[in-house]
Amino acid sequence: NAGVMQNPRHLVRRRGQEARLRCSPMKGHSHVYWYRQLPEEGLKFMVYLQKENIIDESGMPKERFSAEFPKEGPSILRIQQVVRGDSAAYFCASSPSSTGGTQYFGPGTRLLVL
Amino acid sequence: GENVEQHPSTLSVQEGDSAVIKCTYSDSASNYFPWYKQELGKRPQLIIDIRSNVGEKKDQRIAVTLNKTAKHFSLHITETQPEDSAVYFCAASKWEGMRFGAGTRLTVKP
Repeated sequence: NAGVMQNPRHLVRRRGQEARLRCSPMKGHSHVYWYRQLPEEGLKFMVYLQKENIIDESGMPKERFSAEFPKEGPSILRIQQVVRGDSAAYFCASSPSSTGGTQYFGPGTRLLVL
Repeated sequence: GENVEQHPSTLSVQEGDSAVIKCTYSDSASNYFPWYKQELGKRPQLIIDIRSNVGEKKDQRIAVTLNKTAKHFSLHITETQPEDSAVYFCAASKWEGMRFGAGTRLTVKP
């Protein structure tokens, strides 16, 4: 039973490029959450999605960031025109339900913006 | 929205001693309180969680207590071992994404 999968594990982008981060939830999980962790800091909630729906994006920056969880395929976090401040670890978590369901984390994608 | 505060930010104990980490939350509707352990460069790993209808939960050397009236919860680790050294995060949620505390860096000295 595979856990939450994320790819790529490491991503290097130059300023102004686009970054696409992918997350496949655990089998049987239909709820996906994205978190950002800056170096030496805690985890900050970004967005919560169910299939084809964004449920809560209150933690997502208003510009350049978007997320989707299509009917088929992984969830994608997209960062357009990256800046150095976007360098961080981006973790995806999944849960089987929304009502206080246990969230299991993927290994993260470490984004470095040069 | 929910705001979670965590103390202390760093904690150093001798092997075999106990460690206690405390968190407070602001949203009385939060009903789920997990604790995660994160080692350097790794993903957060759930170590224990508690729901709002329970006041205490224990799993071997780890226990969590919840005081809903005061809106605070605590992690207790007994008989600490060097492999317990890591950053620990508390979190609170109701139906949406979790809001995390800032983390506690625990160091267990042999």
